[in-house]
Amino acid sequence: KAGVTQTPRYLIKTRGQQVTLSCSPISGHRSVSWYQQTPGQGLQFLFEYFSETQRNKGNFPGRFSGRQFSNSRSEMNVSTLELGDSALYLCASSLDGEETQYFGPGTRLLVL
Amino acid sequence: EDQVTQSPEALRLQEGESSSLNCSYTVSGLRGLFWYRQDPGKGPEFLFTLYSAGEEKEKERLKATLTKKESFLHITAPKPEDSATYLCAVQAWDSSYKLIFGSGTRLLVRP
Repeated sequence: KAGVTQTPRYLIKTRGQQVTLSCSPISGHRSVSWYQQTPGQGLQFLFEYFSETQRNKGNFPGRFSGRQFSNSRSEMNVSTLELGDSALYLCASSLDGEETQYFGPGTRLLVL
Repeated sequence: EDQVTQSPEALRLQEGESSSLNCSYTVSGLRGLFWYRQDPGKGPEFLFTLYSAGEEKEKERLKATLTKKESFLHITAPKPEDSATYLCAVQAWDSSYKLIFGSGTRLLVRP
């Protein structure tokens, strides 16, 4: 069974731009969660989607948003990028959220 | 506030030298505790899920245990390929399914 895939793997953007990251969950998984990983803050929860609905949201500004499609694929968007948004963005999928979450390889975003 | 603390931050072992990593947690109600392994530049790889105190799980040289306040990841006779960062996370019995992560333990196993 194919694992979680994320595209693109690497991105370089400049301050003020916006970016969209994509995540395809494991087949059959309906919950997709997003996390931000930085050396200083570690792994922090951004939001979780289930059946095209955002169920939970972490403590991040409104510049961070996401959505989920009917095939469970998910995208997250960051608008008006700041230097501090440079991080590894990880997507994780699970059957329904309660079960074990499996992570993708991540998208490394560098904001210049 | 739900919190996870891992110790030590870093650990250096000789090949074959067994040791344990600690994960202490404070959570309103534990739904599950998860161990992941993360190699540099990659996403976390799932190792174990533990649900209740007294539960133990094993996989090759790794064994995870759980009490009401902490979890241990025991590494028996480690090999250089076990070098990685080991992450512990908890999921609480609230309306959120988020994982709360510790800062990880960086393990280096020297040949």
